Parts: sequence; structure tokens; C-alpha cells
Amino acid sequence: GEDVEQSLFLSVREGDSSVINCTYTDSSSTYLYWYKQEPGAGLQLLTYIFSNMDMKQDQRLTVLLNKKDKHLSLRIADTQTGDSAIYFCAEMEGFNKFYFGSGTKLNVKP
Amino acid sequence: GAVVSQHPSRVICKSGTSVKIECRSLDFQATTMFWYRQFPKQSLMLMATSNEGSKATYEQGVEKDKFLINHASLTLSTLTVTSAHPEDSSFYICSARGGGRGQGYTGELFFGEGSRLTVL
Repeated sequence: GEDVEQSLFLSVREGDSSVINCTYTDSSSTYLYWYKQEPGAGLQLLTYIFSNMDMKQDQRLTVLLNKKDKHLSLRIADTQTGDSAIYFCAEMEGFNKFYFGSGTKLNVKP
Repeated sequence: GAVVSQHPSRVICKSGTSVKIECRSLDFQATTMFWYRQFPKQSLMLMATSNEGSKATYEQGVEKDKFLINHASLTLSTLTVTSAHPEDSSFYICSARGGGRGQGYTGELFFGEGSRLTVL
């Protein structure tokens, strides 16, 4: 599969912004995704971005894509304790396979 | 939104027994479902692609005789872990790609809640 890399941990204070970064290797990726996983639960799709876009904003979430550097980021504004979870970026290969990063564990301190 | 349900959410079994995990798409038809395995503190590993009415496609290194996948209908795929051993203990997650309007265009994947298997 393709290589998708993320930093493992991020700790922020409640109310601050969180930025989670991801790099990928497949230049032919058409869609890139951010998923959230809470303890013991499956994955929840947060947002996605088409590869011809640079930015997508959805309420508190902002996704930035630098296709040249193959870098994807997720910014969470006004981070809340309920945002504590593991965040996975993923890229879609073709139309059937998703490859996930290792996940970034976000810890939000009150 | 689309819902994918897995059952059971937790299962404990003895070594040598077989365990079946079900994955259902509740409000859409899924011609393709995916099975992932997640080790503690690690990412999801794609195990196989389950295709309705045909054989599953396994990723390299995944034993097809060990992990039997059946996708008999458009709303149900099953994963059977045969002759389970403690090293098979893991979190198994299924996902389905919606094919309907608003779903198929993005290739959006909907995930089940996951099934935690513990083999004693």
C-alpha cells in the first residue's frame, strides 16, 4: 500500500486550535480524508477534500492540501475536550482502496 | 447518513474455535465492503475487499484460509476467523462504500463500530 504518515501525539488546551498534519506518497490520490476514532469505537468521517482543492472549511474544521508537497492538515478551531480522540488521515487509491495513516492521538486539556 | 453495523461488538473465544463477525449496511446497498484489522495503537490494516457475489480479494500477507469472507447479499458481509489463536486477538472493522447518489461520487466509506476479538 501507499505510505501515509502522521505524528503520533498532539496535546492542546481547551479553546486553542489544533493542527494535525499528514503526508502521503501517492500523487494520483483523488480524495483525501480525515476520520475520527473515539475509544473502542469505529471510524467517523469528519471531512474530505478533492485533490484539485487547496482548502476546505466546515464549521470548526479547516482542511489544507498542498499537493506539491503531498501534505494534508486538519485544523480544529476552539478545540473542546470532546474532540479528544485519534484522528486518521486517509487517501483513496483508485476507487476502492483506502490507505490510512497511523493516527494522531489528540489530547485536549481542560 | 448511511449506517454500517457490525455484530458482535465484543467476542471472547477459546483458542482453536472459529468466530464469525457480521457487517451489515442498514440503509443502502453495498456491492463492496472492506475488512480492516487494527492493532493496539496502530493504524488500520486493510485485510481484504469483499465483493458481492464473487470471491474476496485479499491483501498480501493475509491468509485467505484463515480469514474467510463471504458477501452473499448486497447488505451483508461476514468475516470468519477460523481456528483462532491468541495472536488473532484484535479490533476488526468493516466498511462499506455507498453506491448511491451523494455517496458513490466521493467514494465515501462508512464504517462499522468494530468488533473486538479476544482469543484465550
